[in-house]
Amino acid sequence: GAGVSQSPSNKVTEKGKDVELRCDPISGHTALYWYRQRLGQGLEFLIYFQGNSAPDKSGLPSDRFSAERTGESVSTLTIQRTQQEDSAVYLCASSFRQGYEQYFGPGTRLTVT
Amino acid sequence: DQQVKQNSPSLSVQEGRISILNCDYTNSMFDYFLWYKKYPAEGPTFLISISSIKDKNEDGRFTVFLNKSAKHLSLHIVPSQPGDSAVYFCAASKGTGTASKLTFGTGTRLQVTL
Repeated sequence: GAGVSQSPSNKVTEKGKDVELRCDPISGHTALYWYRQRLGQGLEFLIYFQGNSAPDKSGLPSDRFSAERTGESVSTLTIQRTQQEDSAVYLCASSFRQGYEQYFGPGTRLTVT
Repeated sequence: DQQVKQNSPSLSVQEGRISILNCDYTNSMFDYFLWYKKYPAEGPTFLISISSIKDKNEDGRFTVFLNKSAKHLSLHIVPSQPGDSAVYFCAASKGTGTASKLTFGTGTRLQVTL
């Protein structure tokens, strides 16, 4: 079956611009997660959705970051007024409600110039 | 504050030998541990997991060992194969029975040589 997909695969943007990153989870997975991986670092948790609600937003680094999920499906991560330190690979994962195994998409590589 | 640590950034092992990847954690509330494998330009792929009520879990060539008193876990791959060359991430979560956020280590790059 189809795995987690993310778009775009690569995004280059100028500092100060807004970007939107999209995640399509595995069909039927009710939990959806966003992580990011900056160069040379591990994966950093950003936000988690259960259904369309986000019970844990603790990882969002600033109020420039926001995310939403609709129809218990697609999620969008928005970064406003991008900064160079936002450059990273943004990874989305989904899992069954009760499961721990998170299945990851290929990521979106964001470069802020 | 790095709650999950992988102190070896890289490891090189000969094909056929055992690969041992190590991971330490500091948060005693973690009760579920996972290993993920990542190839370049791909997302991490789930490999194997272990609950804190166990000390060993085995799946084919992969075995994960958990030492709760030492807050240490390890992944053994035997025999190692060239296709195992990848970055391996250790991850931990807390809150049994619910999908919860994972805290990842920084990864260990494994190279299996011929």
